[in-house]
Amino acid sequence: AIRMTQSPSSFSASTGDRVTITCRASQGISSYLAWYQQKPGKAPKLLIYAASTLQSGVPSRFSGSGSGTDFTLTISCLQSEDFATYYCQQYYSYPPFTFGPGTKVDIK
Amino acid sequence: QVQLQESGPGLVKPSETLSLTCTVSGYSISSGYYWGWIRQPPGKGLEWIGSIYHSGSTYYNPSLKSRVTISVDTSKNQFSLKLSSVTAADTAVYYCARDAGINGDWGLILTGYFDLWGRGTLVTVSS
Repeated sequence: AIRMTQSPSSFSASTGDRVTITCRASQGISSYLAWYQQKPGKAPKLLIYAASTLQSGVPSRFSGSGSGTDFTLTISCLQSEDFATYYCQQYYSYPPFTFGPGTKVDIK
Repeated sequence: QVQLQESGPGLVKPSETLSLTCTVSGYSISSGYYWGWIRQPPGKGLEWIGSIYHSGSTYYNPSLKSRVTISVDTSKNQFSLKLSSVTAADTAVYYCARDAGINGDWGLILTGYFDLWGRGTLVTVSS
């Protein structure tokens, strides 16, 4: 199974900050990567697929990049509603589809 | 508006079988898409369990495959999860979700990422 890692595991930021989360795959996955946002007590929400394609309805301050093994999720101007945990997921090789361990973004 | 809703017992005894159902509203399962189950132990990350097509075609996580059965009932517009021989390690919030799907020559193709999720249901394994 392809192993996904994320860094950092958590960090604090302020509203208005530009933040970047990194995801790394244990082997090349081309652009078969999705990002999700999860708030406490809620289901994950799809933000980005194909590494850089924004899901319908997701604000443009979210962007994704990368291919192969290294990927990033960037929030250009952090809003209060963006404080959450973010997960990457590969869907290149299956089964299984695998998720990263998550990155928690909280308020500084 | 497509919605998914999980249902089933919130408490299961060790060694017994966990059974959950996902009811889909606003869309006929028979029309396409793969449908999946994902779980999340308390305070931990997400684990894909498996996915099923309306025809019954399934993909399972190899780490759970010996204990998992996912089935579909198109007449009720539902799909279900059974996980046998549960232990405390199976305690988790269980989500049902829709695979995003992409158009292929013969219908929607499995993508592997999920664009619609149910609210989730906590299942605790305890005696």
